[in-house]
Amino acid sequence: DTAVSQTPKYLVTQMGNDKSIKCEQNLGHDTMYWYKQDSKKFLKIMFSYNNKELIINETVPNRFSPKSPDKAHLNLHINSLELGDSAVYFCASSHRPNGEKLFFGSGTQLSVL
Amino acid sequence: SQQGEEDPQALSIQEGENATMNCSYKTSINNLQWYRQNSGRGLVHLILIRSNEREKHSGRLRVTLDTSKKSSSLLITASRAADTASYFCATGDQGAQKLVFGQGTRLTINP
Repeated sequence: DTAVSQTPKYLVTQMGNDKSIKCEQNLGHDTMYWYKQDSKKFLKIMFSYNNKELIINETVPNRFSPKSPDKAHLNLHINSLELGDSAVYFCASSHRPNGEKLFFGSGTQLSVL
Repeated sequence: SQQGEEDPQALSIQEGENATMNCSYKTSINNLQWYRQNSGRGLVHLILIRSNEREKHSGRLRVTLDTSKKSSSLLITASRAADTASYFCATGDQGAQKLVFGQGTRLTINP
């Protein structure tokens, strides 16, 4: 069974569109994260939720809105997509909100044309 | 801002040789972690070393931490083709709840 699963794996869309990426974890973890990996493989945290509550928001544009309906799910909605949003987005989870031993999903490669 | 920086950026060795990757960071940390990323996949946690530890082992992996030099190294012994991947160090800042990653070392093991 996949521990952290995110969908879709690939997302190709036009500038200006709105899109969502879904993430689910079956590890019973309290904390979930969204990370963005750019073309140079630099991985940067975007958001962190602990038990459905936002605990980290790393100066991400308002066009990005995370939503956590329960502690096993953390979705990412992106409005008005821009070329610079093209990247690989990773969902991750950890047992506690201390950033230790993260379990990552397989990533969503977003291409904005 | 980026915290860890790995060195070298790319490393290519023969199967069976040992691979050493280094990581330097800038601020005080609570722990340092190493992750592996195979091409097109998510990151996999390898090992965590706390700021009061100097060395840790896990199978063929050996991690050292020198907090006075703000640096860590990851040694993979007796490398295998399956070890081909990118390796990232990540630091957990004291008092913070986020993990900050470096840009990784691309390791290629040649058969």
